[in-house]
Amino acid sequence: EPEVTQTPSHQVTQMGQEVILRCVPISNHLYFYWYRQILGQKVEFLVSFYNNEISEKSEIFDDQFSVERPDGSNFTLKIRSTKLEDSAMYFCASTTDSYSGNTIYFGEGSWLTVV
Amino acid sequence: AQTVTQSQPEMSVQEAETVTLSCTYDTSESNYYLFWYKQPPSRQMILVIRQEAYKQQNATENRFSVNFQKAAKSFSLKISDSQLGDTAMYFCAFMKRETSGSRLTFGEGTQLTVNP
Repeated sequence: EPEVTQTPSHQVTQMGQEVILRCVPISNHLYFYWYRQILGQKVEFLVSFYNNEISEKSEIFDDQFSVERPDGSNFTLKIRSTKLEDSAMYFCASTTDSYSGNTIYFGEGSWLTVV
Repeated sequence: AQTVTQSQPEMSVQEAETVTLSCTYDTSESNYYLFWYKQPPSRQMILVIRQEAYKQQNATENRFSVNFQKAAKSFSLKISDSQLGDTAMYFCAFMKRETSGSRLTFGEGTQLTVNP
């Protein structure tokens, strides 16, 4: 079964450093997402992306964050100048067509620890 | 804005028995979808079951079924014949029907433990 793949699975970074989390969505999917889950808390929406632009972003997704689809397969989340509170599991997700309520498939997550 | 509430932070059940996890939501939308996702210790989010709000029939996937009460804005998950592998965090989620990039809004989660 096709999967959303994410790298790295775990990254430790110093506060103030830039981090890039990478994702390869399922190949025929058109909508891409990043979600975040701080340890012990609910999963929170960060951003959705379609047709090479952001469709929607949450209040969490401030100027510190950016997303990009640099080629036909990768989808990246960049966090500039990381803060301690950015420590979380970051999930990439994708779907074919959200209008029809099609399943959003999640990757296994990238666990980011900011020290 | 939509909200999803799961009022049971933790539940436990004996293997082979049945358990029901509760979820309520609040929305002014008429067209939407509801989901249950499972997050085992590996932390991957796995879809368990999906319900379309315009369908009155409750969704069923093998041992998993839902009780969807649209007027009450309630969406509970029933797991029959519980197995040890069902031990996980279960998240209820809402998605409104939009033209593009609709987000999932998750509840707080219910940690289910299946005991041998």
